[in-house]
Amino acid sequence: QVQLQESGPGLVKPSETLSLTCTVSGGSINTYYWTWIRQPPGKGLEWIGYIHYSGSANYNPSLKSRVTISVDTSKNQFSLKLTSVTAADTAVYYCARANAYWEYDYWGQGALVTVPS
Amino acid sequence: QTVVTQEPSLTVSPGGTVTLTCASSTGAVTSDYYPNWFQQKPGQAPRSLIYSTNYRHYWTPARFSGSLLGGKAALTLSGVQPEDEAEFYCLLYYGGAQNWVFGGGTRLTVL
Repeated sequence: QVQLQESGPGLVKPSETLSLTCTVSGGSINTYYWTWIRQPPGKGLEWIGYIHYSGSANYNPSLKSRVTISVDTSKNQFSLKLTSVTAADTAVYYCARANAYWEYDYWGQGALVTVPS
Repeated sequence: QTVVTQEPSLTVSPGGTVTLTCASSTGAVTSDYYPNWFQQKPGQAPRSLIYSTNYRHYWTPARFSGSLLGGKAALTLSGVQPEDEAEFYCLLYYGGAQNWVFGGGTRLTVL
């Protein structure tokens, strides 16, 4: 059974960089598209971006200037960095897996990151 | 800025049938948008129900079905159960920009 688990600081100061890691267990990170999605408290979902295990990445145009997603196949992990954060970046951040059929099948439980105003 | 629109809320009686839709500001939704549908209950992560328009996961009950309807992606629930009460999100693929956009979500009440 594939499992994804987000980890990282729950509190980030304004203007600093948010960093999260997603650890994949029960399966290899090779193949698939590894995705980050976020959800502000009480609001809807926002697709942040994904990275292919080969290293190619695509990002939400509205966040592209601030986002970097990377993958470490040796550790079966992928990571999110979001720079210059503000209170508007406060959200639950989810990592998820998508396959070549664009099936977003497995998700992490989510990690709340708060940026105080 | 691309906008994906869903009904904000719908109400259905137990045992009834309801259809949720997902529209794109760019025009008709086709299978090339690889519509995905997710269910989210309070305090939980979203759970995938449907991918690539109409494919169910092994864990998706047969009462959930996906389709294209009148230029929109659609999720139909037949024989609704009380436990189906949740927020439902669609997700569409915009190939030229190589990115994905979520709809705003539909809150489904079973009453």
